[in-house]
Amino acid sequence: DAGVIQSPRHEVTEMGQEVTLRCKPISGHNSLFWYRQTMMRGLELLIYFNNNVPIDDSGMPEDRFSAKMPNASFSTLKIQPSEPRDSAVYFCASSRSGANVLTFGAGSRLTVL
Amino acid sequence: RKEVEQDPGPFNVPEGATVAFNCTYSNSASQSFFWYRQDCRKEPKLLMSVYSSGNEDGRFTAQLNRASQYISLLIRDSKLSDSATYLCVVRGRSNDYKLSFGAGTTVTVRA
Repeated sequence: DAGVIQSPRHEVTEMGQEVTLRCKPISGHNSLFWYRQTMMRGLELLIYFNNNVPIDDSGMPEDRFSAKMPNASFSTLKIQPSEPRDSAVYFCASSRSGANVLTFGAGSRLTVL
Repeated sequence: RKEVEQDPGPFNVPEGATVAFNCTYSNSASQSFFWYRQDCRKEPKLLMSVYSSGNEDGRFTAQLNRASQYISLLIRDSKLSDSATYLCVVRGRSNDYKLSFGAGTTVTVRA
């Protein structure tokens, strides 16, 4: 099992640019989560998908953030336009529905200059 | 008030020592509890679930105190490889998808 795969692992971009982060969940996992981690705020849930459908996006900071899950094996998190305060590590995690355990990807470290 | 609160530490201990720390949670209806471990610049990984009667996994012991709404983790005979940040995680209801993460307690084990 390859685990949850995220790309890119690192991204450095300038303010105002569009950023797209990608995630491939574990095969057979039908729940997918996007988290953001910063020193100040810790791990924050941004959005939760179940069976490719967004169930809870209340954690998405603002309209600059959007997420999609076009199929069971792929999700994207997009920030447009990016701002320096978006600098963080973005984690994707997946699980089977109702399971207690989340498996996290290695994360995408974003720096917005 | 945060849903899950932890002492950030750091706890600096020598190899072989015992280290213990707690986390408190605010939702008295919380059903499931976990400890995740996060190494520096890595992703969080499940360390162990926490059961009502308390449970052990090797050198790690987890306890739950529902009356006082806290969870504890004790590490015996600590190893250098135990150096990490330990995240306390709480699920509200058994079918609730949301996990609330604490900010983590950092443990550093020195030779």
